Amino acid sequence: DAGVIQSPRHEVTEMGQEVTLRCKPISGHNSLFWYRQTMMRGLELLIYFNNNVPIDDSGMPEDRFSAKMPNASFSTLKIQPSEPRDSAVYFCASSSSVGYSNQPQHFGDGTRLSIL
Amino acid sequence: QKEVEQDPGPLSVPEGAIVSLNCTYSNSAFQYFMWYRQYSRKGPELLMYTYSSGNKEDGRFTAQVDKSSKYISLFIRDSQPSDSATYLCAILGNFNKFYFGSGTKLNVKP
Repeated sequence: DAGVIQSPRHEVTEMGQEVTLRCKPISGHNSLFWYRQTMMRGLELLIYFNNNVPIDDSGMPEDRFSAKMPNASFSTLKIQPSEPRDSAVYFCASSSSVGYSNQPQHFGDGTRLSIL
Repeated sequence: QKEVEQDPGPLSVPEGAIVSLNCTYSNSAFQYFMWYRQYSRKGPELLMYTYSSGNKEDGRFTAQVDKSSKYISLFIRDSQPSDSATYLCAILGNFNKFYFGSGTKLNVKP
């Protein structure tokens, strides 16, 4: 079975540019999570969707960040305008939710983002 | 206080050693516990998960949960160089939210 697929794997861009990260969750999973990982702060949850609806976006750092999930098989995380402090590895994860409980998450291999 | 605390290491052991990785958590209501392994430049990979107190074994890996102490452990027997990775504990907390430890970097020397 295909796992969580993220693109691009690497992105290098100049500050001020718009960055769009993409994620395809595992088929049949109904919860999707976006994380950011840095050496200093570890793995931070940015936003999570359940059945395509944003449930918790309290981790989104500021208005420059936005995320969408137009259907069950695709999500985007957008940063506009980007800043050097946004440089990190961004992970997407998906899971099944059973009742009110999420099952363990499965992660993609991440997008390594560098903002110059 | 963070929801989950984990010693970042690094931890360096010789091949064949028994490895013990640990996390503490803050909320006694947390009930669902996971361990992930993350190789360099890869995403975290689920190793084990458990709901209950006690031990759960899978091959060379044993996950242990002590709810009375709010302490979770991962033991690796007969450690191999291929076990060298960062290990993250994770807990499903309130409002269906996952909390991750900061990760412990393990190096198993041949």
